[in-house]
Amino acid sequence: DTGVSQDPRHKITKRGQNVTFRCDPISEHNRLYWYRQTLGQGPEFLTYFQNEAQLEKSRLLSDRFSAERPKGSFSTLEIQRTEQGDSAMYLCASSLDGRGTNEKLFFGSGTQLSVL
Amino acid sequence: AQKITQTQPGMFVQEKEAVTLDCTYDTSDQSYGLFWYKQPSSGEMIFLIYQGSYDEQNATEGRYSLNFQKARKSANLVISASQLGDSAMYFCAMREGRYGGATNKLIFGTGTLLAVQP
Repeated sequence: DTGVSQDPRHKITKRGQNVTFRCDPISEHNRLYWYRQTLGQGPEFLTYFQNEAQLEKSRLLSDRFSAERPKGSFSTLEIQRTEQGDSAMYLCASSLDGRGTNEKLFFGSGTQLSVL
Repeated sequence: AQKITQTQPGMFVQEKEAVTLDCTYDTSDQSYGLFWYKQPSSGEMIFLIYQGSYDEQNATEGRYSLNFQKARKSANLVISASQLGDSAMYFCAMREGRYGGATNKLIFGTGTLLAVQP
């Protein structure tokens, strides 16, 4: 297993279009997270899955955002009716269950979204 | 509300010298975890070190050590013998929430940009 994979690496879209990103976590990890990072800032939490259950969503995640993790494997993040303010790096991360160093997040390389 | 504060937007250090990156946190939880991540210009987030709130000893991982002062709510990262490849953004993060609770997310600080000079 080579780590967390995200696709695409870059996405350019026009305002108002819908976009979908995919994340493939490390296979034995049952926790999956989506974060958003803008230039010069730390990652901001968007949502978290434990297996297929979406256990938490940030207030940052407006109703235009939806995430799924069918069968507890890969996850998709969809943004509908994109706005210029959605331009950011979208990071996916996964981790094992448990505490201590087990809970460290392994991040993918991210999807850089640019909304024109 | 839980919060991570990194007050140093940027720092310079000479190669082979040690450097300390500051991090303070705010939480009302008794059980929490503290993390440091490195983000080079290529963009990937790399885990460096972890400290649990109940760990009595400061965590160490190779050239990285975490100076954990619980009463002061600080978790500073110390990098010894800096190398040119250490130039990157460094983020402090905290896992909030209790085990078995609904949240296991990490919250991140705004980061410190470290530049190692030859």
